[in-house]
This record gives sequence, C-alpha cells and structure tokens, in this order.
Amino acid sequence: GAGVSQSPSNKVTEKGKDVELRCDPISGHTALYWYRQSLGQGLEFLIYFQGNSAPDKSGLPSDRFSAERTGGSVSTLTIQRTQQEDSAVYLCASSLLAGYDTQYFGPGTRLTVL
Amino acid sequence: AQKVTQAQTEISVVEKEDVTLDCVYETRDTTYYLFWYKQPPSGELVFLIRRNSFDEQNEISGRYSWNFQKSTSSFNFTITASQVVDSAVYFCALSEASGNTPLVFGKGTRLSVIA
Repeated sequence: GAGVSQSPSNKVTEKGKDVELRCDPISGHTALYWYRQSLGQGLEFLIYFQGNSAPDKSGLPSDRFSAERTGGSVSTLTIQRTQQEDSAVYLCASSLLAGYDTQYFGPGTRLTVL
Repeated sequence: AQKVTQAQTEISVVEKEDVTLDCVYETRDTTYYLFWYKQPPSGELVFLIRRNSFDEQNEISGRYSWNFQKSTSSFNFTITASQVVDSAVYFCALSEASGNTPLVFGKGTRLSVIA
C-alpha cells in the first residue's frame, strides 16, 4: 500500500511569508506526527495528533507554528511569518495506534527561507 | 524525562568490516519501546526494528543484529560484513508507553562504508 506522502518536496520562500506543508498519512493510521530536522541535527518533535483527541502541541517552537488535521486524515503544518531559522526538513510520520506504535515516515519537505 | 544518547557522531569503516552503533537510553517507565531507523542520503527515514522493554532477546535480521541490555540501558546495533549501501545516518529512538508520548530520537550516527 501507499506510504506517507508529503508535499511539496521542496519549498523556497522569503522571510516573512507564510507557508503550508501537507502530509497524507498511511490509510487507517490514527496517529500523525510532525518533526523537524535541521541541517546535521537530530529530529525534533513538533506536534502529535491521535484520533479525535486534542493534539499534543508541546513541541511547537513558537506561536508562528500551527497544525491541523482534517477528517482524521490529511494534516497541514503552517508556519507564519517565516524566519531563516525555520529552514529545515519537515518530516511527517503516522502510526496505526498510540504513540509507542511504529511510526512510518514520509520523504519530508525541505523548507528554505531566504 | 526520556533521553537517547548516541555517542558516536561519525563512523567510517572499510567494506566487509563489522561495525557496532551504540545507543544508550534513559527512562523512568518500566514499559517502553526502542527503535532504530536508517536515513540514507535520499533523506527518507526507514524503520528497521522495534523492541519492547520486556523482550531482551537479541534479534538478528540478515546482516543486522541488535543487542538489548536493560542492565546497561543500551540497545546497540551491529552490521556484519558492511556494504557501501549501508552508508547512512542511523537513529535510535525511544517511546514510553505511558502518556502516548512521541518518539525521542538520539542525534544519530553517520556511518560511511568505504569500498
């Protein structure tokens, strides 16, 4: 079956602009996660959706970051007023059940803020 | 708080050598899960293995093997007879069963296998 997909694969934007990144999880997976990987760094957790529960936003670095998940499936990560330090690869993952279930990752969106 | 340490930042080996990637974790939970992921140059994270804290049996999958030792809080990964295609960044990760917490990753080990 299809894996996790993300779009766009690359996004170049100017400082101060808003961007939207999209994630399509594996069909039937109830949990969806967003992570950020800065150049040469590990993965930083951003936000986590589990079924119809309120999302865990504890990893969002600032109020410029937000995410939503519509219909329990597709998710959009929005970064408002982008800054150069937002440049990173944004990775989405999904898992069948709870947080400790195996997470399967998408190919990521490389964001470059000029 | 949970934490994963991969002390080896970069490792370089010659093809056909065996190599072990170290992973040490910290958690207060008695039930937790450990993972290894591979990130090749293409960038996509590939799932390799998931172990729960109650299963300390070592696992072997082809040239890959994992040694889980609760006594030392370690979950080390060994590649036998390494190949150039094994060149990648390898991440160890931990998830606690309580609280539906997300994965906590180590900083990764970059493995270069030279022909």
